[in-house]
Amino acid sequence: RKEVEQDPGPFNVPEGATVAFNCTYSNSASQSFFWYRQDCRKEPKLLMSVYSSGNEDGRFTAQLNRASQYISLLIRDSKLSDSATYLCVVRDYGQNFVFGPGTRLSVLP
Amino acid sequence: SAVISQKPSRDICQRGTSLTIQCQVDSQVTMMFWYRQQPGQSLTLIATANQGSEATYESGFVIDKFPISRPNLTFSTLTVSNMSPEDSSIYLCSVVGGRSEQFFGPGTRLTVL
Repeated sequence: RKEVEQDPGPFNVPEGATVAFNCTYSNSASQSFFWYRQDCRKEPKLLMSVYSSGNEDGRFTAQLNRASQYISLLIRDSKLSDSATYLCVVRDYGQNFVFGPGTRLSVLP
Repeated sequence: SAVISQKPSRDICQRGTSLTIQCQVDSQVTMMFWYRQQPGQSLTLIATANQGSEATYESGFVIDKFPISRPNLTFSTLTVSNMSPEDSSIYLCSVVGGRSEQFFGPGTRLTVL
């Protein structure tokens, strides 16, 4: 079983749609959780950290369920510029970051 | 956030040669990592670059193939040695900020013929 798994995608959604991505992780001792965004031929950039209480940043909402070892990202009112690959990242007590395979999103006009 | 530069941005190399990639950060950082991202794949950690000591390599990566230097807290190099076409990839350095977030360099796109 992979350490971090994500919805395989790709997700093709119309502008204005709401889309949700799921991520599961296998190491119950993981301590930090993140969503990164990677545009084609560019480096990954931090979208948001994920906190136990859940957190929101504009149109983006992240949730963490430690008991189920599950992380989610919700994007509301999708824009064309949201098209990218979304990477779920988990940090363990060894301080290493483990990247999920990514979920590709295409927002269509 | 940290500003990270990498050199070269891309290169095309012949089989059997070596390439050294440089990573420069605009501030002193403790943790610096080197990753590889093969076409269509996610990121795989190669090693943690430790200042003043040998790098810590992940399973499947060895020092002879990927020697790393970290002479100070703002700079590191990764060498890809005795290259083969399987080494064609994007190589990225990253640093860790105060809240555990990672910042990445723009990457070095390597093609081995």
